[in-house]
Amino acid sequence: DAEITQSPRHKITETGRQVTLACHQTWNHNNMFWYRQDLGHGLRLIHYSYGVQDTNKGEVSDGYSVSRSNTEDLPLTLESAASSQTSVYFCASSIGNAGETQYFGPGTRLLVL
Amino acid sequence: QQPVQSPQAVILREGEDAVINCSSSKALYSVHWYRQKHGEAPVFLMILLKGGEQKGHEKISASFNEKKQQSSLYLTASQLSYSGTYFCGTGTTDSWGKLQFGAGTQVVVTP
Repeated sequence: DAEITQSPRHKITETGRQVTLACHQTWNHNNMFWYRQDLGHGLRLIHYSYGVQDTNKGEVSDGYSVSRSNTEDLPLTLESAASSQTSVYFCASSIGNAGETQYFGPGTRLLVL
Repeated sequence: QQPVQSPQAVILREGEDAVINCSSSKALYSVHWYRQKHGEAPVFLMILLKGGEQKGHEKISASFNEKKQQSSLYLTASQLSYSGTYFCGTGTTDSWGKLQFGAGTQVVVTP
């Protein structure tokens, strides 16, 4: 069955380290999104991509980067992890048309010490 | 801008009804409703599109008032399984698939 997966599911890292969170979808969706979820803030958009080689900044993109070299994957990199980046990270994808819903991966819990 | 959800939380007994509202300051093209259980990913419930009809999913239904830029989610004869946090995600004609999510409404259904 087609799906969207994230790895790792849990990660503990230290301040200043580079961290990469993986997102892989097998639906052949054009659009992929990265969100962070914190208490009281709901889901906030970090970066998004409308297709291969396309990446865009969301509302909370500082300190994060993404690259899209194929349709299936959109890895999220924290260049130099900070304690403020402790959060739950969700990846989502959608077909690519306006009005199409997004489907979420299981999430990655990241703790930055 | 983030849509505003109300109420922030609601406690129900099994069998009771509840309404969750989602309001936006922008003209909307679509409203997407999700439910999230603790420690899990948001799960898609339904989508309402501009010019579309009211939708339903089991005893959960929703409406979309385009003029007021509002959507409401109706939980009818609530079941224990309805507990969770409900989010609305809103899309505009120029958002190209991006959604703005509300802060969520926590629903607790008790026996």
